[in-house]
Amino acid sequence: DPKIIQKPKYLVAVTGSEKILICEQYLGHNAMYWYRQSAKKPLEFMFSYSYQKLMDNQTASSRFQPQSSKKNHLDLQITALKPDDSATYFCASSQAPWEQFFGPGTRLTVL
Amino acid sequence: GQQVQQSPASLVLQEGENAELQCNFSTSLNSMQWFYQRPGGSLVSLFYNPSGTKHSGRLTSTTVIKERRSSLHISSSQTTDSGTYLCALEGNTGKLIFGLGTTLQVQP
Repeated sequence: DPKIIQKPKYLVAVTGSEKILICEQYLGHNAMYWYRQSAKKPLEFMFSYSYQKLMDNQTASSRFQPQSSKKNHLDLQITALKPDDSATYFCASSQAPWEQFFGPGTRLTVL
Repeated sequence: GQQVQQSPASLVLQEGENAELQCNFSTSLNSMQWFYQRPGGSLVSLFYNPSGTKHSGRLTSTTVIKERRSSLHISSSQTTDSGTYLCALEGNTGKLIFGLGTTLQVQP
């Protein structure tokens, strides 16, 4: 059974639209994270949450908004989508400050 | 400059050969984590290693904080080891800073 679920697996959006990427973890962890992987770039940290509170935000744009409705959920809302936002978005979790485990990713393409 | 540098960028081995992957970092860290990224993109955690040496099957990870380096040794490589190996240093707030990775191809 997958312990970290990300939905959808693939997502195609048009420029200017808004999308929500879903992440749920069933590992009982207290910290959750979002990362982004674009072509030819290293995996890039975006946000970290601990006990549903924002700990760190390295995303320059306010178009990216994490949303934590439950302890084991951390969704990512992206507004006014741009082609540069095309990437694979990974959710991760840990029993902070320990080892992080990653979800399978959502591959977003913005046309 | 990049805080985490991995070498080599790519490596081709014959099955059965050993591999040594290096990770050097330029900033202080809480820990080092090694991942295997499958060709489909998903990441598998191999080691969480703040310092010293850890073993898991044919894999060995060594982190030497004073020298700001970590290594991943793969012994008796198999074709199924092919893929990308990523190291990441853990800073404060749990943030992982990744290197660009080493792409390993093991030929039969």
